[in-house]
This record gives sequence, C-alpha cells and structure tokens, in this order.
Amino acid sequence: AQKVTQAQTEISVVEKEDVTLDCVYETRDTTYYLFWYKQPPSGELVFLIRRNSFDEQNEISGRYSWNFQKSTSSFNFTITASQVVDSAVYFCALSEPPFSGGYNKLIFGAGTRLAVHP
Amino acid sequence: EAQVTQNPRYLITVTGKKLTVTCSQNMNHEYMSWYRQDPGLGLRQIYYSMNVEVTDKGDVPEGYKVSRKEKRNFPLILESPSPNQTSLYFCASSLTLGANVLTFGAGSRLTVL
Repeated sequence: AQKVTQAQTEISVVEKEDVTLDCVYETRDTTYYLFWYKQPPSGELVFLIRRNSFDEQNEISGRYSWNFQKSTSSFNFTITASQVVDSAVYFCALSEPPFSGGYNKLIFGAGTRLAVHP
Repeated sequence: EAQVTQNPRYLITVTGKKLTVTCSQNMNHEYMSWYRQDPGLGLRQIYYSMNVEVTDKGDVPEGYKVSRKEKRNFPLILESPSPNQTSLYFCASSLTLGANVLTFGAGSRLTVL
C-alpha cells in the first residue's frame, strides 16, 4: 500500500539556521510522483515541487532544495538560512499515475510543523 | 485569476443538519476532488470526479455525497453531519488525469456540534 511518513511532527529553529524536513514513502509502482506543499498559518496549500520517479536529480530553488533518493525511498526538503516567513506546516505527498489507478490522488504525510523564531 | 473557490470558508453547525460546501473552478479543469485534513493524519481524499457525471469514492467517503452536473462545480454534501466530520476541507482540481499538479481551494473549516 502507498504510504508517506513524515516522522518529524514539529521542528523549532532560530532564524538563519538550516533545517531539513524528512519524507519517506512506500509504493509498489516504479512510476510515481512526489510533491511538497506548504501550508502557512493562513491555511491555504501552496505547491512547492513535483518530482517524477525517473528524475533523481536534486533540485534547488533559492533557499529551498530537495534531495530525492530512490534507494532509501526518501524525498527530503532542506531550507537554507531559514526565515520567520518559512513558519508553516509542510506536507510531503505521493501520487501514482492514472494508469496505475492513482487517478491523481495524493497520499499525504501527516505534515511537519516548522516554527522559525527570530 | 485562475482559482478554486470554496464556500463557506467557516461554518459551525449542529448534528444532523444537512449542509453543502460548494466548490467552483474557473480553469476548465476536468478533474476535481475533495480532501479533509485532520491533525496527525494529513489530508485524505473523500471523493473525486474525472469529468461531468463521473464521480468515485476516495479513501474516506462515508457520510459524504458529491455531484458533478457541470464541469466547473463539485459540491460536497453532508446529509446528516456528525461531530467526527469536524475538519478542514479542501477542494482541488487539475486539467486532466495526467496533469496531476492539483490546484487547491483556500479550505473550508467545518465544526459539527
């Protein structure tokens, strides 16, 4: 069965620290997609990144970077030099392609609440 | 502006009083779905629709109904709400089945007393 585990329930850091949010997934398929979403205190879900299972290159976008390792079924998210505005709940999610019956369904992890203090 | 609009954003109701949460998208998306978010559980899919008049159950459909009479609208119906349906609800859409980056609505916080 598909499953996403975010073992860190809450993380608290001081501004400018680097922080890594862990994500471990389980799936029976060889083709799948992984996502990260951000949920700020206002409550909306903000799409951050999508990665397909055939692309193991790490991705960097400004202060954000993602490390995808199929060998360990992990898709970790690092924020460099964290800022107060990074305070949010972050969700990792897994989706299987439609031909595997995924029908665009996202399997979400429980989320990690990140608090960045000044 | 391309968006998914949910209403109401906040609602407090009582057990057994039927309610509908509306969802509308202006992007001509074929695929729409509903999720609920609960602490410690993340988001779980309730129902989804691949196109007009085509709907199917997600992982937690009990106590909910949906309909898709028009492409843009996908209302979530709670015929007889119960306290365990107190949750944060999200509607989402995407262009097709293959384009699976979902656009989410702003969320509807429902409390059932």
